[in-house]
Amino acid sequence: SQTIHQWPATLVQPVGSPLSLECTVEGTSNPNLYWYRQAAGRGLQLLFYSVGIGQISSEVPQNLSASRPQDRQFILSSKKLLLSDSGFYLCAWSVQGKNIQYFGAGTRLSVL
Amino acid sequence: KNQVEQSPQSLIILEGKNCTLQCNYTVSPFSNLRWYKQDTGRGPVSLTIMTFSENTKSNGRYTATLDADTKQSSLHITASQLSDSASYICVVSGNNNAGNMLTFGGGTRLMVKP
Repeated sequence: SQTIHQWPATLVQPVGSPLSLECTVEGTSNPNLYWYRQAAGRGLQLLFYSVGIGQISSEVPQNLSASRPQDRQFILSSKKLLLSDSGFYLCAWSVQGKNIQYFGAGTRLSVL
Repeated sequence: KNQVEQSPQSLIILEGKNCTLQCNYTVSPFSNLRWYKQDTGRGPVSLTIMTFSENTKSNGRYTATLDADTKQSSLHITASQLSDSASYICVVSGNNNAGNMLTFGGGTRLMVKP
């Protein structure tokens, strides 16, 4: 069976500090991978998606970046966090050619 | 512009009562519609998925309906339980492999009180 892991579950970071959130998928190969942000009381916003190693598409201009160093690893990063980066970050995966997505448990990021 | 509108934004019901959540969409082309349940501080979990030809689908006490002509869907919860308290998100997808064809509704926050 397939599983998706996200960590950490919660994170408190000062403004200007770097960020690295990691997501890994097990039990499948060559998945599509996604990063979403969910602001408090708001819907999900797609930030990045990847259809393969080293292939990243950005949906919105922002202070964040994503990388896919391995087939089942997706990393969300920032060099300098802003207050507006606070939110709930979700990683998801889907089978290539299918658009049913399976979500991780999420990371709550608070930038102070 | 692809949009998914959900109503109500929030809902409070008593334990044991039924409720219905609404989802209207303007996504085109349409591939499927999903309802997710998201507990506070957790990732969304899929409840149902319906394609164009499906009118209704059930998952335990959850029953989703789809009217592709009017582009409306509903999620009916029967005999609500305290554990049903969560946000319910309607997601509509088009015929595309990439995530940018998924359109998310803003969610309905349901609270079930004893």
